[in-house]
Amino acid sequence: GENVEQHPSTLSVQEGDSAVIKCTYSDSASNYFPWYKQELGKRPQLIIDIRSNVGEKKDQRIAVTLNKTAKHFSLHITETQPEDSAVYFCAASSRPRNEKLTFGTGTRLTIIP
Amino acid sequence: EAQVTQNPRYLITVTGKKLTVTCSQNMNHEYMSWYRQDPGLGLRQIYYSMNVEVTDKGDVPEGYKVSRKEKRNFPLILESPSPNQTSLYFCASSERGGIQYFGAGTRLSVL
Repeated sequence: GENVEQHPSTLSVQEGDSAVIKCTYSDSASNYFPWYKQELGKRPQLIIDIRSNVGEKKDQRIAVTLNKTAKHFSLHITETQPEDSAVYFCAASSRPRNEKLTFGTGTRLTIIP
Repeated sequence: EAQVTQNPRYLITVTGKKLTVTCSQNMNHEYMSWYRQDPGLGLRQIYYSMNVEVTDKGDVPEGYKVSRKEKRNFPLILESPSPNQTSLYFCASSERGGIQYFGAGTRLSVL
């Protein structure tokens, strides 16, 4: 089955700097790659996703890049703010309707004021 | 308001005592899933359902059962809970190929 590895497990950046979180996946058939943000004590919430027919997607300060050849995708957060502090999870799905998601182990991002 | 509702939010039980965690969604979503979240392991899918009476195993199904008799409900059943099932559980629902919306979570402790 699919295996998703996520790095780093913890990341601290100064407010205003950029943060990058990287994930690799094993199943070359995977075609959907969402990113979820989980604030302390809250539920995971989707922040951005990308499908395999696109190499990059951007939404304000957040962007995701996908390299299908190398089987890795990354989350980029620019101009970080204190409210960006959270745990971020990447995921991948090889099913046509995304009914089965495999998650990475998470990255705890801390923004230092 | 569109939502996924789990009950109970917190549960402490003893080994071997059957329990059910309920999950209900009001968005008419076809797909529903159960995940468990453990420190350092991320979210792992237990079971998922693609429609009424259609369920399939996720990555960690051992010790769990599910049923999908109605579109809106997807209960998680632990017939004989054990301490290694102490975890934070999330239910999620989605439209076909769409975003998964998570419930608020159920924190379970099995003594």
